[in-house]
Amino acid sequence: AQSVTQLDSQVPVFEEAPVELRCNYSSSVSVYLFWYVQYPNQGLQLLLKYLSGSTLVKGINGFEAEFNKSQTSFHLRKPSVHISDTAEYFCAVRRTGGGNKLTFGTGTQLKVEL
Amino acid sequence: DVKVTQSSRYLVKRTGEKVFLECVQDMDHENMFWYRQDPGLGLRLIYFSYDVKMKEKGDIPEGYSVSREKKERFSLILESASTNQTSMYLCASSSRGGTAFFGQGTRLTVV
Repeated sequence: AQSVTQLDSQVPVFEEAPVELRCNYSSSVSVYLFWYVQYPNQGLQLLLKYLSGSTLVKGINGFEAEFNKSQTSFHLRKPSVHISDTAEYFCAVRRTGGGNKLTFGTGTQLKVEL
Repeated sequence: DVKVTQSSRYLVKRTGEKVFLECVQDMDHENMFWYRQDPGLGLRLIYFSYDVKMKEKGDIPEGYSVSREKKERFSLILESASTNQTSMYLCASSSRGGTAFFGQGTRLTVV
């Protein structure tokens, strides 16, 4: 079984400041890693994913994440946030080798303030 | 673009009613999923289906059932709605081993 821990339930940040949203996972098998974003009253949208290759993954809207296997982490970063980045962010894992189910963390609410 | 459409954005139902939540995808995906989203708990998998008429229980199947008679449609059924089933319900679909795409969600209130 897999589990995902998002250490911060809320992250307030000022506009144009950098932000890091933390994600750690636990799994006895190898996994793929995902970040999804949910804007108010909407469904989830894929931000980025790590399947293999370079451990630094770039996604949409200027976000990037780095896979660290030794620390079992997949933290999400953006060097300069915008008001429009205010949303809830979910980290998720799915086992490799034919797995289809995503296991999600509890989410981090990013609030960008002026 | 992949489109996953949930039939209702908002629903209000009475305790004890039988409730149907419908989800349709237009990308010929094999897999379809129903998740429940609650504050502080993230998304929890209720049921998923990997083919027509095939289903597997997720992490919280109690009080729910599903139906997949056609590849593009996956229905979530609350046999007898209860107030603790008030929640946001999210449908998703994916190809085998592919990325999951989500619908807009149905916010269900049971009174």
